[in-house]
Amino acid sequence: AQTVTQSQPEMSVQEAETVTLSCTYDTSESDYYLFWYKQPPSRQMILVIRQEAYKQQNATENRFSVNFQKAAKSFSLKISDSQLGDAAMYFCAFSPLAGEKLTFGTGTRLTIIP
Amino acid sequence: EAQVTQNPRYLITVTGKKLTVTCSQNMNHEYMSWYRQDPGLGLRQIYYSMNVEVTDKGDVPEGYKVSRKEKRNFPLILESPSPNQTSLYFCASSLKGTDTQYFGPGTRLTVL
Repeated sequence: AQTVTQSQPEMSVQEAETVTLSCTYDTSESDYYLFWYKQPPSRQMILVIRQEAYKQQNATENRFSVNFQKAAKSFSLKISDSQLGDAAMYFCAFSPLAGEKLTFGTGTRLTIIP
Repeated sequence: EAQVTQNPRYLITVTGKKLTVTCSQNMNHEYMSWYRQDPGLGLRQIYYSMNVEVTDKGDVPEGYKVSRKEKRNFPLILESPSPNQTSLYFCASSLKGTDTQYFGPGTRLTVL
């Protein structure tokens, strides 16, 4: 069974600064997908970024980028130029290649300090 | 508008009273799934469905039932709710399980 670990329950960052959220996972599979989802106070779950394990290039979406280290089974999220609207819970998630089960981490609550 | 809808959004009930939380998507997605979110535990998958009439257990299926008779609907049934099923529930859908999941707005369930 796959496991996803987010070791930082809470983090804070000054507005306009850069912050990195950590995620590690455990799997015996060689191909899979990884995701970061954002949950603002509205509770709506929103996809931030998606990474395919067979792609060596790290995914980026505007101010959001990942550092995907396949050998280390690490998938961290970097948020550049943090904005007040980035305040949310962030969840890392793993999907096997067949796409049947999605496993989430326990989340990191990010606070943005004005 | 492409969306996943859940009803009800809030529900307070008593132990043992059967209830159904509906989930519907209008994107013709094959994959649908139910999750529960509890503080400190993140989201845990209850059941998923890869297509019509195909359902399977996630990580925490005990006490829940699902059905997928139509592509767009995936109801979650609690036949005899207990207080440990008090939680925030999310339905989600995607074209395939590996694609971006579109989440419903959540259902806050309290079982007294």
